[in-house]
Amino acid sequence: EVQLVESGGDFVQRGGSLRLSCAASGFSISNSYMTWVRQAPGKGLEWVSSIHIGGSTYYADSVKGRFTISRDNFKNTVFLQMNSLKPEDTALYYCARTTYGSFEYWGQGTLVTVSS
Amino acid sequence: QSALTQPPSASGSPGQSVTISCTGTSSDVGGFNYVSWYQQHPGKAPKLMIYEVSKRPSGVPDRFSGSKSGNTASLTVSGLQAEDEADYYCNSYGGNNNYVFGTGTKVTVL
Repeated sequence: EVQLVESGGDFVQRGGSLRLSCAASGFSISNSYMTWVRQAPGKGLEWVSSIHIGGSTYYADSVKGRFTISRDNFKNTVFLQMNSLKPEDTALYYCARTTYGSFEYWGQGTLVTVSS
Repeated sequence: QSALTQPPSASGSPGQSVTISCTGTSSDVGGFNYVSWYQQHPGKAPKLMIYEVSKRPSGVPDRFSGSKSGNTASLTVSGLQAEDEADYYCNSYGGNNNYVFGTGTKVTVL
Protein backbone atom coordinates (compact mmCIF):
# COMPACT_ATOMS: atom_id res chain seq x y z
CA GLU A 1 0.00 0.00 0.00
CA VAL A 2 1.34 3.42 -0.95
CA GLN A 3 1.73 5.75 2.01
CA LEU A 4 3.23 9.23 2.38
CA VAL A 5 3.83 10.73 5.80
CA GLU A 6 4.91 14.35 6.12
CA SER A 7 6.60 15.81 9.20
CA GLY A 8 8.66 18.79 10.28
CA GLY A 9 6.00 21.49 10.28
CA ASP A 10 6.24 24.01 13.10
CA PHE A 11 5.71 27.59 14.24
CA VAL A 12 8.60 29.80 13.12
CA GLN A 13 9.42 33.50 13.02
CA ARG A 14 9.70 35.48 9.80
CA GLY A 15 13.10 34.88 8.25
CA GLY A 16 13.48 31.49 9.90
CA SER A 17 14.06 28.06 8.39
CA LEU A 18 12.36 24.68 8.48
CA ARG A 19 13.03 21.30 6.90
CA LEU A 20 10.01 19.21 5.96
CA SER A 21 10.23 15.46 5.42
CA CYS A 22 8.01 13.10 3.45
CA ALA A 23 8.57 9.42 4.25
CA ALA A 24 7.30 7.11 1.55
CA SER A 25 6.36 3.45 1.78
CA GLY A 26 4.88 0.96 -0.66
CA PHE A 27 6.99 2.26 -3.54
CA SER A 28 10.49 3.56 -4.24
CA ILE A 29 11.00 7.30 -4.59
CA SER A 30 14.15 6.63 -6.61
CA ASN A 31 12.00 5.88 -9.64
CA SER A 32 9.21 8.33 -8.85
CA TYR A 33 8.55 11.98 -9.59
CA MET A 34 7.72 13.68 -6.26
CA THR A 35 6.05 17.02 -5.59
CA TRP A 36 5.26 19.39 -2.73
CA VAL A 37 1.90 21.21 -2.80
CA ARG A 38 0.71 23.68 -0.17
CA GLN A 39 -2.62 25.04 0.98
CA ALA A 40 -2.89 28.23 3.00
CA PRO A 41 -5.65 28.21 5.65
CA GLY A 42 -9.03 28.44 3.94
CA LYS A 43 -7.41 28.84 0.52
CA GLY A 44 -6.77 26.75 -2.57
CA LEU A 45 -3.95 24.44 -3.60
CA GLU A 46 -0.61 25.76 -4.85
CA TRP A 47 2.15 23.76 -6.56
CA VAL A 48 5.44 24.43 -4.76
CA SER A 49 8.21 22.18 -6.08
CA SER A 50 8.95 18.91 -7.86
CA ILE A 51 11.91 16.59 -8.17
CA HIS A 52 12.28 14.35 -11.20
CA ILE A 53 13.51 10.77 -11.26
CA GLY A 54 16.81 12.02 -12.64
CA GLY A 55 17.17 14.53 -9.82
CA SER A 56 16.25 17.72 -11.67
CA THR A 57 14.36 20.15 -9.46
CA TYR A 58 11.69 22.74 -10.21
CA TYR A 59 10.11 25.52 -8.17
CA ALA A 60 7.20 27.92 -8.20
CA ASP A 61 8.32 31.53 -8.63
CA SER A 62 6.98 32.30 -5.13
CA VAL A 63 9.58 30.04 -3.49
CA LYS A 64 12.44 30.02 -5.98
CA GLY A 65 15.74 30.83 -4.32
CA ARG A 66 14.36 30.17 -0.82
CA PHE A 67 13.18 26.54 -0.93
CA THR A 68 15.17 23.45 -1.92
CA ILE A 69 13.70 20.03 -2.67
CA SER A 70 15.87 16.95 -2.28
CA ARG A 71 15.58 13.24 -1.61
CA ASP A 72 17.36 10.40 0.16
CA ASN A 73 16.72 7.22 -1.79
CA PHE A 74 18.07 5.01 0.99
CA LYS A 75 15.66 6.49 3.51
CA ASN A 76 12.95 6.64 0.82
CA THR A 77 12.29 10.20 1.95
CA VAL A 78 11.79 13.52 0.18
CA PHE A 79 12.70 16.81 1.85
CA LEU A 80 11.80 20.46 1.48
CA GLN A 81 14.30 22.89 2.98
CA MET A 82 12.60 26.21 3.50
CA ASN A 83 14.69 29.31 4.23
CA SER A 84 13.87 33.01 4.59
CA LEU A 85 10.31 32.11 5.52
CA LYS A 86 7.57 34.71 5.12
CA PRO A 87 4.09 34.92 6.68
CA GLU A 88 2.63 34.11 3.25
CA ASP A 89 4.37 30.71 3.41
CA THR A 90 1.96 29.73 6.21
CA ALA A 91 0.16 26.64 4.91
CA LEU A 92 -0.43 22.94 5.16
CA TYR A 93 2.29 21.31 3.08
CA TYR A 94 1.49 18.06 1.26
CA CYS A 95 3.82 15.78 -0.61
CA ALA A 96 2.51 13.77 -3.53
CA ARG A 97 3.71 11.13 -5.93
CA THR A 98 3.40 12.50 -9.43
CA THR A 99 2.44 10.25 -12.35
CA TYR A 100 1.17 11.11 -15.83
CA GLY A 101 1.23 14.79 -14.97
CA SER A 102 -1.05 14.36 -11.98
CA PHE A 103 -0.68 13.99 -8.23
CA GLU A 104 -1.64 10.39 -7.70
CA TYR A 105 -1.04 9.82 -3.97
CA TRP A 106 -1.00 12.42 -1.20
CA GLY A 107 0.09 12.50 2.40
CA GLN A 108 -1.97 14.09 5.15
CA GLY A 109 0.17 17.21 5.28
CA THR A 110 2.29 19.05 7.83
CA LEU A 111 1.45 22.56 9.06
CA VAL A 112 3.89 25.43 8.76
CA THR A 113 3.05 28.69 10.52
CA VAL A 114 5.23 31.76 10.00
CA SER A 115 4.65 34.68 12.32
CA SER A 116 5.40 38.28 11.47
CA GLN B 1 1.69 31.69 -13.74
CA SER B 2 -1.88 32.65 -12.84
CA ALA B 3 -4.31 30.22 -11.25
CA LEU B 4 -6.81 28.54 -13.53
CA THR B 5 -10.32 29.98 -13.26
CA GLN B 6 -13.09 27.90 -11.72
CA PRO B 7 -16.56 28.98 -10.56
CA PRO B 8 -16.59 29.43 -6.77
CA SER B 9 -19.60 27.19 -6.33
CA ALA B 10 -21.87 24.68 -8.03
CA SER B 11 -24.82 22.71 -6.80
CA GLY B 12 -27.33 20.05 -7.73
CA SER B 13 -29.92 17.77 -6.23
CA PRO B 14 -29.22 14.08 -5.63
CA GLY B 15 -29.29 12.22 -8.91
CA GLN B 16 -28.69 15.31 -10.99
CA SER B 17 -25.49 16.27 -12.82
CA VAL B 18 -23.16 19.14 -12.16
CA THR B 19 -20.38 20.39 -14.44
CA ILE B 20 -17.40 22.45 -13.27
CA SER B 21 -15.33 24.46 -15.72
CA CYS B 22 -11.61 25.18 -15.50
CA THR B 23 -10.34 27.93 -17.79
CA GLY B 24 -6.70 28.53 -18.52
CA THR B 25 -4.65 29.59 -21.50
CA SER B 26 -2.91 28.05 -24.48
CA SER B 27 0.19 27.83 -22.27
CA ASP B 28 -1.41 25.40 -19.86
CA VAL B 29 -4.85 23.80 -20.32
CA GLY B 30 -4.94 24.39 -24.06
CA GLY B 31 -1.37 23.36 -24.64
CA PHE B 32 -1.16 20.00 -22.90
CA ASN B 33 -3.34 16.97 -22.18
CA TYR B 34 -2.16 16.89 -18.58
CA VAL B 35 -5.29 18.21 -16.89
CA SER B 36 -6.28 16.54 -13.63
CA TRP B 37 -9.07 16.99 -11.07
CA TYR B 38 -9.01 16.59 -7.29
CA GLN B 39 -11.75 16.17 -4.70
CA GLN B 40 -11.12 17.49 -1.21
CA HIS B 41 -13.41 16.93 1.76
CA PRO B 42 -13.02 19.24 4.78
CA GLY B 43 -9.92 18.45 6.78
CA LYS B 44 -8.78 15.79 4.32
CA ALA B 45 -6.06 15.54 1.72
CA PRO B 46 -7.01 15.98 -1.93
CA LYS B 47 -7.88 12.85 -3.91
CA LEU B 48 -7.14 12.36 -7.60
CA MET B 49 -10.39 11.89 -9.55
CA ILE B 50 -9.37 12.46 -13.20
CA TYR B 51 -5.98 12.54 -14.91
CA GLU B 52 -4.86 13.24 -18.48
CA VAL B 53 -8.10 15.16 -19.11
CA SER B 54 -10.51 12.22 -19.03
CA LYS B 55 -8.95 9.12 -17.44
CA ARG B 56 -10.21 7.76 -14.13
CA PRO B 57 -7.89 6.13 -11.58
CA SER B 58 -8.88 2.74 -10.32
CA GLY B 59 -11.63 3.01 -7.72
CA VAL B 60 -13.09 6.32 -8.90
CA PRO B 61 -16.77 5.88 -9.85
CA ASP B 62 -17.64 6.30 -13.53
CA ARG B 63 -20.06 9.04 -12.44
CA PHE B 64 -17.00 11.29 -12.68
CA SER B 65 -15.92 12.30 -16.17
CA GLY B 66 -13.57 14.86 -17.66
CA SER B 67 -13.22 16.64 -20.97
CA LYS B 68 -11.44 19.56 -22.60
CA SER B 69 -12.17 22.02 -25.37
CA GLY B 70 -9.57 24.61 -26.24
CA ASN B 71 -8.38 26.37 -23.09
CA THR B 72 -11.23 25.08 -20.92
CA ALA B 73 -11.45 21.75 -19.15
CA SER B 74 -14.57 20.40 -17.46
CA LEU B 75 -15.44 17.90 -14.77
CA THR B 76 -18.93 16.42 -14.77
CA VAL B 77 -20.38 14.55 -11.82
CA SER B 78 -23.45 12.57 -12.86
CA GLY B 79 -25.96 11.03 -10.50
CA LEU B 80 -24.93 13.30 -7.65
CA GLN B 81 -24.65 11.67 -4.26
CA ALA B 82 -24.36 13.22 -0.81
CA GLU B 83 -20.72 12.12 -0.51
CA ASP B 84 -19.84 14.14 -3.64
CA GLU B 85 -20.23 17.34 -1.63
CA ALA B 86 -16.67 18.66 -1.46
CA ASP B 87 -14.23 21.15 -2.93
CA TYR B 88 -12.92 20.35 -6.40
CA TYR B 89 -9.69 21.62 -7.94
CA CYS B 90 -8.38 21.32 -11.45
CA ASN B 91 -4.69 21.28 -12.28
CA SER B 92 -2.74 21.60 -15.50
CA TYR B 93 0.84 21.14 -16.52
CA GLY B 94 2.06 24.58 -17.53
CA GLY B 95 5.22 23.77 -19.41
CA ASN B 96 8.79 24.22 -18.16
CA ASN B 97 8.06 21.62 -15.48
CA ASN B 98 5.57 23.89 -13.75
CA TYR B 99 2.04 23.09 -12.65
CA VAL B 100 -0.90 25.38 -11.95
CA PHE B 101 -4.03 24.69 -9.92
CA GLY B 102 -7.51 26.07 -10.35
CA THR B 103 -9.14 28.43 -7.87
CA GLY B 104 -11.41 25.68 -6.57
CA THR B 105 -15.15 25.01 -6.68
CA LYS B 106 -17.35 24.11 -3.74
CA VAL B 107 -19.96 21.57 -4.81
CA THR B 108 -23.12 21.44 -2.71
CA VAL B 109 -25.63 18.62 -2.90
CA LEU B 110 -29.00 20.18 -2.22
